[in-house]
Amino acid sequence: GAVVSQHPSWVICKSGTSVKIECRSLDFQATTMFWYRQFPKQSLMLMATSNEGSKATYEQGVEKDKFLINHASLTLSTLTVTSAHPEDSSFYICSAFGTANSPLHFGNGTRLTVT
Amino acid sequence: GQQVMQIPQYQHVQEGEDFTTYCNSSTTLSNIQWYKQRPGGHPVFLIQLVKSGEVKKQKRLTFQFGEAKKNSSLHITATQTTDVGTYFCAGSNNQGGKLIFGQGTELSVKP
Repeated sequence: GAVVSQHPSWVICKSGTSVKIECRSLDFQATTMFWYRQFPKQSLMLMATSNEGSKATYEQGVEKDKFLINHASLTLSTLTVTSAHPEDSSFYICSAFGTANSPLHFGNGTRLTVT
Repeated sequence: GQQVMQIPQYQHVQEGEDFTTYCNSSTTLSNIQWYKQRPGGHPVFLIQLVKSGEVKKQKRLTFQFGEAKKNSSLHITATQTTDVGTYFCAGSNNQGGKLIFGQGTELSVKP
């Protein structure tokens, strides 16, 4: 089945630094990937839709200059949290559809802690 | 914009009791999907419902999609401790499009 690999699994960084999270589709091509954020005990909130070869589409309230998304190939999307602050600490999860009508396959997520 | 509401937020049951979580969308959905997330883990796909009034079963789990394609439910019969986790519904209003998740229902099962 479709596999989505996300790296790193967890990261601790200092306030003001930037963190890059990678999301790869291992056995399929993903023209579209989705980035979600999940705070403890809360639901998954869609941050942005990452489109291969074009700009990402951000959800309302998500700062595109803070959360930089790059989808340079059909198998890789990256999310960079720039100038991270403690309030950015969260669980970030990427996902992609294996095919147009398949379910959403999730990466294992990245737990970001900003100190 | 599209909203997906899910209730209850928490449910504590005794092992062997039944459990149901309900999902309602503010708009008509093209499909609805259900996911289970264990503590510390990522959401795992359970099922997708596409047709109006559709009912699907997976062992002790029964999934329903409303006639108007705006609501859905997940029912677990005779819960077991392995059923513990948070169950999310997620709706889409177009095929291949973004999914909007409900708030999730956290299920705890007391042995």
